[in-house]
Amino acid sequence: DTGVSQDPRHKITKRGQNVTFRCDPISEHNRLYWYRQTLGQGPEFLTYFQNEAQLEKSRLLSDRFSAERPKGSFSTLEIQRTEQGDSAMYLCASSLETGLSGANVLTFGAGSRLTVL
Amino acid sequence: DQQVKQNSPSLSVQEGRISILNCDYTNSMFDYFLWYKKYPAEGPTFLISISSIKDKNEDGRFTVFLNKSAKHLSLHIVPSQPGDSAVYFCAAMEYGNKLVFGAGTILRVKS
Repeated sequence: DTGVSQDPRHKITKRGQNVTFRCDPISEHNRLYWYRQTLGQGPEFLTYFQNEAQLEKSRLLSDRFSAERPKGSFSTLEIQRTEQGDSAMYLCASSLETGLSGANVLTFGAGSRLTVL
Repeated sequence: DQQVKQNSPSLSVQEGRISILNCDYTNSMFDYFLWYKKYPAEGPTFLISISSIKDKNEDGRFTVFLNKSAKHLSLHIVPSQPGDSAVYFCAAMEYGNKLVFGAGTILRVKS
């Protein structure tokens, strides 16, 4: 297993265009998370899935953002009508939630950097 | 409202000495705390965690201390090595839920 993979690593787009990012989690992980990180800040939670069900969405996730995990494996994050404020690193993470006590350790991918011109 | 705060944006330490990174939180419902390390062009990688029912957890050169009454935790790295130079994020978790991250501290270990 090669860990969490994200594609593309870098995306430059013009304001108003749509972009889509893909995340392939660790295969046995049932949870998948999307975070956003801007310069000088820590990762901010956007949304997460348990299998194919989207369980929580942050208020940061405006209606221009949509995330899917159709078969409980890979996930996509789409941003419609991009704005300059969307420029950030989009991080995907996955974890195995067992229902037992213990820290839910997230494994992160390297991220997809978005630049909106 | 920032629930997890890392008030020191950067820290510089001499190789071989102790590095102490601090973190404060506001939500008393957090039950686990984690530290992640991030190198440029890579995602954050898990370093060490501590349960809210403990006050110390140690893993090799890394020790995390938790003071629940003060809502404060710290990461000690002894001895510090140049390869430890990275951004360190403190993160907190409510039961079975997402991680909430601090803004990070840039650690530079000088040789």
